[in-house]
Order: sequence, then structure tokens, then C-alpha cells
Amino acid sequence: DIQMTQSPASLSASLGETVTIECLASEDIYSNLAWYQQKPGKSPQLLIYYANSLNDGVPSRFSGSGSGTQYSLKINSLQSEDVSIYFCQQNYDSPWTFGGGTKLELK
Amino acid sequence: EVQLVESGGGLVQPGRSMKLSCAASGFTFSNYGMAWVRQAPTKGLEWVATISYDGSSTYYRDSVKGRFTISRDNAKSTLYLQMNSLRSEDTATYYCTRSSFPGGFDYWGQGVMVTVSS
Repeated sequence: DIQMTQSPASLSASLGETVTIECLASEDIYSNLAWYQQKPGKSPQLLIYYANSLNDGVPSRFSGSGSGTQYSLKINSLQSEDVSIYFCQQNYDSPWTFGGGTKLELK
Repeated sequence: EVQLVESGGGLVQPGRSMKLSCAASGFTFSNYGMAWVRQAPTKGLEWVATISYDGSSTYYRDSVKGRFTISRDNAKSTLYLQMNSLRSEDTATYYCTRSSFPGGFDYWGQGVMVTVSS
């Protein structure tokens, strides 16, 4: 199985700040990576697919990058509504696996 | 508007069975692969099973293989998950999701809680 390691596990940032979340795959997943946002008590929502493609309706302050085994999610100009848990997920090979999540809080 | 509405969860004893349903609307159901993803209380996300758009192919994580069966009725736009021989470690919120072509799960239901306990 492909292991997905996210860092950090938790993150505290101020409004307007830029934050970056990292995701490391245990083998090359050829950009087959998605990012999800899960707000408290809600279902996850797809933010980014294929490593850097923004899903419809997602604010442009979110961006994804990376290749091979290393990927990142960047949030520019942090807003209060961005307080969530963020997950990465590889869809290169079954079983599709998720990272452990990054809990983003406001400082 | 795409909607996925799960039903069928609840409390079940270990070793017993339960069937989840997911009613889909707002898109052509028969054009998309579908999947179940679960989340144990205060834990991360775990893919459970996927079915192809026409039901001809199914995929399962090892821990549920032989116990769970994913199926679909395209005429009713409904996805199912039959869960047999349930274990305490199957306790989770189960989400019905749509598989998007470029990859990932682009729509999620509200989730249904399954608690396996005596």
C-alpha cells in the first residue's frame, strides 16, 4: 500500500498569513494527488485534484503543487472560514490512501 | 445540484449485517464510478470500496474483502454497501462519494454512522 505522510499534524496561523501543508508519498504517484478540506462536523470537500488543479468553486487562494513523492497545499491570505482539517489522498494505485490530516486553527 | 443521501446506518451487534444505501441525484449516475469512504470517530479518512460506472468492476480494501459488497442500481440511481460479519473496528461514519475522472472524490454525502457494539 502507498503510505501518505502529512505534515504538520496541526498548525496555528493568523488571519492573512500564508500556510503550507506537505504530503509525502511512499512511492512516486505521478501527480495523482487530491487535497480535501473538512470543516468541523461536515463532510470533506475536494479542493485540488491532479496535484495542482483547482476544483470548481474553490477560492483561488488555495493552490497545490508537487510531483513524484512530494506535494504541498498552500493557502494564501488565510481566512477564518479556512479553519478545517486538510487531507491529502493518492489515487494512483489501489487501495486509495489518505494522509493523516492537518488541523488548521487560528492563532 | 449534485446530492448524495446515505441511509441505513445505526447500532448493530458484532457479527451481524447491515446494508447502507446512497440515493444520488443531480447528475447522470450511470456515467460515474462511485465509492464508500469511512471515518472512525476522531480519526482520518479510509477508502472502503469502489464500483465502476456500470458495476462490472469492484475494488475493496483488504480489511473488508469477503465481508463487504458494493453494488449499484443505475435505474434507481442508488449505491449500496452490504456489510456482513461486522466488527468493532468497522465503527465509523460512512460516506458515499462520486469518483471524478481526473481522480479524487468530487462529491460526498452527509455521511451515515455505523456503530458495531454489543
